[in-house]
Amino acid sequence: AQSVTQLDSQVPVFEEAPVELRCNYSSSVSVYLFWYVQYPNQGLQLLLKYLSGSTLVKGINGFEAEFNKSQTSFHLRKPSVHISDTAEYFCAVTPLADTGGGNKLTFGTGTQLKVEL
Amino acid sequence: KAGVTQTPRYLIKTRGQQVTLSCSPISGHRSVSWYQQTPGQGLQFLFEYFSETQRNKGNFPGRFSGRQFSNSRSEMNVSTLELGDSALYLCASSLFSGAGEQFFGPGTRLTVL
Repeated sequence: AQSVTQLDSQVPVFEEAPVELRCNYSSSVSVYLFWYVQYPNQGLQLLLKYLSGSTLVKGINGFEAEFNKSQTSFHLRKPSVHISDTAEYFCAVTPLADTGGGNKLTFGTGTQLKVEL
Repeated sequence: KAGVTQTPRYLIKTRGQQVTLSCSPISGHRSVSWYQQTPGQGLQFLFEYFSETQRNKGNFPGRFSGRQFSNSRSEMNVSTLELGDSALYLCASSLFSGAGEQFFGPGTRLTVL
């Protein structure tokens, strides 16, 4: 079984400031890791993913995340945020293909990023 | 390439009724998963279908069911609706089961009165 913890439910930040959204996970098997963004009244959009390889992954809209296996973390960062980044961000994990776990995403509770002028 | 489409986008039903939601995956994708999103419980996995077979099931009562057709399109059905079933229902498609990356549709907003 998997679980995902997003420690911050809300993160206020001024425009052009850096931001970090924290994510920790727990799993008995190896997992793929994702960050999704959700704008009001919309579905989920994939920001970035870690499947294998380099632990620093870059995504869309200038976001990046670093996978730390020893700390079981996958924190999301952006060096300079924009008003348009205001949205809810979800960290999620799913079992690796060779574990037979299928496509079952386990999500964190989300972090509301509010960018202010 | 067209994204994941879900119909209808909005739905209002009354308690006791049943409802069917539809999802068309990205062309070539054979796995479809369903999720329920509520303010109280967050995003929860309902089930996954791959090659017309249920591959995984979440912890939901039997009132929630689904199926997948030979063209990979999927439907989910909720019978005997309860007020607590009000939620955003999201469908996600993936190339195959275990591919990891899933692409989400815009969702169907179900309101139960």
